[in-house]
Amino acid sequence: SQTIHQWPATLVQPVGSPLSLECTVEGTSNPNLYWYRQAAGRGLQLLFYSVGIGQISSEVPQNLSASRPQDRQFILSSKKLLLSDSGFYLCAWSVNPAGTQYFGPGTRLTVL
Amino acid sequence: GEDVEQSLFLSVREGDSSVINCTYTDSSSTYLYWYKQEPGAGLQLLTYIFSNMDMKQDQRLTVLLNKKDKHLSLRIADTQTGDSAIYFCAELYNQGGKLIFGQGTELSVKP
Repeated sequence: SQTIHQWPATLVQPVGSPLSLECTVEGTSNPNLYWYRQAAGRGLQLLFYSVGIGQISSEVPQNLSASRPQDRQFILSSKKLLLSDSGFYLCAWSVNPAGTQYFGPGTRLTVL
Repeated sequence: GEDVEQSLFLSVREGDSSVINCTYTDSSSTYLYWYKQEPGAGLQLLTYIFSNMDMKQDQRLTVLLNKKDKHLSLRIADTQTGDSAIYFCAELYNQGGKLIFGQGTELSVKP
């Protein structure tokens, strides 16, 4: 069966510091991968999605970037964090772009 | 445009039925989803319905879809305290396969 992992589970970082969040999927090949942010107001905002290694699409301009160095690994990064980057970051995967999305456990990021 | 709307809160008594409502805008959506989020956790897929269906039942969960009114509902029978969570409705937007979420309905179950 397929499983999706995210780490770290929680992170507290100072403003201006770098960021690296990791997401990995097991039990499937060539998944579509997604990064979402959930702010305090609950809504989920799609940040990036990837249909394959090295293929990243950005949904909104921001201080963050994403990379997919391996088939089942998706990384969310920032060179310098802002206060507004605080939130709950969720990774998800699907079999194809129109497929059901399955979510990871999330990473709670607090920028101070 | 893309928009999914839900009421923010619902409170029910244990043992009652809960009905969570959702409206969406894309008449060409192929799938509509219900996800559950417990505090501090990720989103758990509860159920989904294909757009050519009117109803889907899965144990205590019943999904009703009214395509004419673009209205989706989730009914939870015999609601338990463990059902307390935020429930998200989402539509698979037909243009580009993008998943559009509502703001979530916080269900509070009182004993």
